[in-house]
Amino acid sequence: KQEVTQIPAALSVPEGENLVLNCSFTDSAIYNLQWFRQDPGKGLTSLLLIQSSQREQTSGRLNASLDKSSGRSTLYIAASQPGDSATYLCAVAPLSGSNYKLTFGKGTLLTVNP
Amino acid sequence: GAVVSQHPSRVICKSGTSVKIECRSLDFQATTMFWYRQFPKQSLMLMATSNEGSKATYEQGVEKDKFLINHASLTLSTLTVTSAHPEDSSFYICSARREFSYGYTFGSGTRLTVV
Repeated sequence: KQEVTQIPAALSVPEGENLVLNCSFTDSAIYNLQWFRQDPGKGLTSLLLIQSSQREQTSGRLNASLDKSSGRSTLYIAASQPGDSATYLCAVAPLSGSNYKLTFGKGTLLTVNP
Repeated sequence: GAVVSQHPSRVICKSGTSVKIECRSLDFQATTMFWYRQFPKQSLMLMATSNEGSKATYEQGVEKDKFLINHASLTLSTLTVTSAHPEDSSFYICSARREFSYGYTFGSGTRLTVV
């Protein structure tokens, strides 16, 4: 059974700092890995999706990497801003079967202080 | 881009009544839709997976007679919480996956409060 772990559970940084969020998964037979952002009381917004054959994806100040063999992904946020404060969730989709059900980590609560 | 609309965003109902939540894919056909429940400060818990035109597949521990899921078309899935009780109060989120697509698009969620 796939298990996804996110470290740290919470992170508080001053504005402008670069930061890294970590995600690890136990089964490397994944179809893709996706990073989401969730604001309080809201749904999920997709940030980056990395296919299993890819190593990284970039969007603006965000960069996500994937090392499938070691079961790890990182989300790098450059020059953090207070508006980046949210919960960041990592989710993996299985390689086959099960309707491609996502397995989520518990998230990292990020607070960027002005 | 792919957009999923979920309604209502908030609903308050009395114990014993039923509540229906709609999830619509606005600009694509959703082969598969997923329904999640989220408790405060917790991650998403998958409740069920629905494919258009077939019965939903429920996760272990989820009462299918209580949480009725209908996926009658490629753009609409509904979750009905029947005979709601205060313990059903939660945040419910749907997501949709397009066939042959890589990603998943999520609705904005529904905050259900049962009084």
